[in-house]
Amino acid sequence: DGGITQSPKYLFRKEGQNVTLSCEQNLNHDAMYWYRQDPGQGLRLIYYSQIVNDFQKGDIAEGYSVSREKKESFPLTVTSAQKNPTAFYLCASSIRAGTQYFGPGTRLLVL
Amino acid sequence: EDKVVQSPLSLVVHEGDTVTLNCSYEVTNFRSLLWYKQEKKAPTFLFMLTSSGIEKKSGRLSSILDKKELFSILNITATQTGDSAVYLCAVGGGFGNEKLTFGTGTRLTIIP
Repeated sequence: DGGITQSPKYLFRKEGQNVTLSCEQNLNHDAMYWYRQDPGQGLRLIYYSQIVNDFQKGDIAEGYSVSREKKESFPLTVTSAQKNPTAFYLCASSIRAGTQYFGPGTRLLVL
Repeated sequence: EDKVVQSPLSLVVHEGDTVTLNCSYEVTNFRSLLWYKQEKKAPTFLFMLTSSGIEKKSGRLSSILDKKELFSILNITATQTGDSAVYLCAVGGGFGNEKLTFGTGTRLTIIP
């Protein structure tokens, strides 16, 4: 089955802890993206990557980090510097300049 | 700064009604406008519009883009309870990248 998978579905973070959200795609897409969605707000871009070993900051990158060592994978780390991490995190992928397709999302909660 | 505004923010109608959702935008170097439907989790793709005046249609849903007036509408005819969702509009712009700017969405509720 081709698609985008995200794990875990729910994630709990303690104060001062770094957590990593997984995103994998087997669609052979070059570009991958991370968005954050808060209630009543649209999706906001955190980071994106157009090619392996390269990524750019989006509109709200502070407190987050990413890597793109493989075409299929684009993990997002929420660091302790992100003071308000509770949100729904969505990963997407696309061919260059194509439609973005989304994974099922990870809901991050702070304990 | 790129901006996408959707209206109304929420809409409640009865099953069988027709609805029109609006999306206006201001982006640098417009490339495309996309509509997504979001129920509980991941947004699912509906339409991608790049040319002005050409209607895209899929069943009871249709959408059109006006690049001169910088807006798009999404129409849903003969609405069903399964159409209840948040509808997101996103615009691709900028130079040399595939960034999308999203609106806040329209929450559509269909009453049986």
